[in-house]
Amino acid sequence: AQSVTQLGSHVSVSEGALVLLRCNYSSSVPPYLFWYVQYPNQGLQLLLKYTTGATLVKGINGFEAEFKKSETSFHLTKPSAHMSDAAEYFCAVTLNTDKLIFGTGTRLQVFP
Amino acid sequence: EPEVTQTPSHQVTQMGQEVILRCVPISNHLYFYWYRQILGQKVEFLVSFYNNEISEKSEIFDDQFSVERPDGSNFTLKIRSTKLEDSAMYFCASSGKGEEGYGYTFGSGTRLTVV
Repeated sequence: AQSVTQLGSHVSVSEGALVLLRCNYSSSVPPYLFWYVQYPNQGLQLLLKYTTGATLVKGINGFEAEFKKSETSFHLTKPSAHMSDAAEYFCAVTLNTDKLIFGTGTRLQVFP
Repeated sequence: EPEVTQTPSHQVTQMGQEVILRCVPISNHLYFYWYRQILGQKVEFLVSFYNNEISEKSEIFDDQFSVERPDGSNFTLKIRSTKLEDSAMYFCASSGKGEEGYGYTFGSGTRLTVV
């Protein structure tokens, strides 16, 4: 069965600092991996996804994530945090067009 | 860019009433889903729908829930007799395989409040 673990329900960084949101997955076969962002009272917006090919994936708003099979990880990073990055971030996993399994989310706070 | 459209954005209903949440998926997508998010909690899978039938459902999706694609464009979620614990944000999503790989697109959600 697939599962997703997001370490750290809350992460706080200063504006301009590195953002690192952790995601580990469990899957018996190579998964497809996603990061979604949810701003307050809004829906889910796709940040980036990994399906096949290059393991370093670039997404919107300067975010990127690297698929590391040996570590079963798909951590999300951004070199320099902006105040507008404050939101809830969800990692998700699936096998082809099967349902998405979401992690519990990480709330990112950005301080000036 | 194609969007998944959900209506209404907010719905308040009395306990025991039936509600229908509506979604218009992306037109060339073949897989449709409903998810829910109770306030402050993670997004949970409810049901997936393909080729005019349910392909998978979670334990949350009991006999009170049903889905339908009545006219080839809309995709609806019906809750027959709402309970207080059904209060949540309900997200519709659709999925298809394009040149860029598999993509899931979510609607902006319907916030259901049961009073």
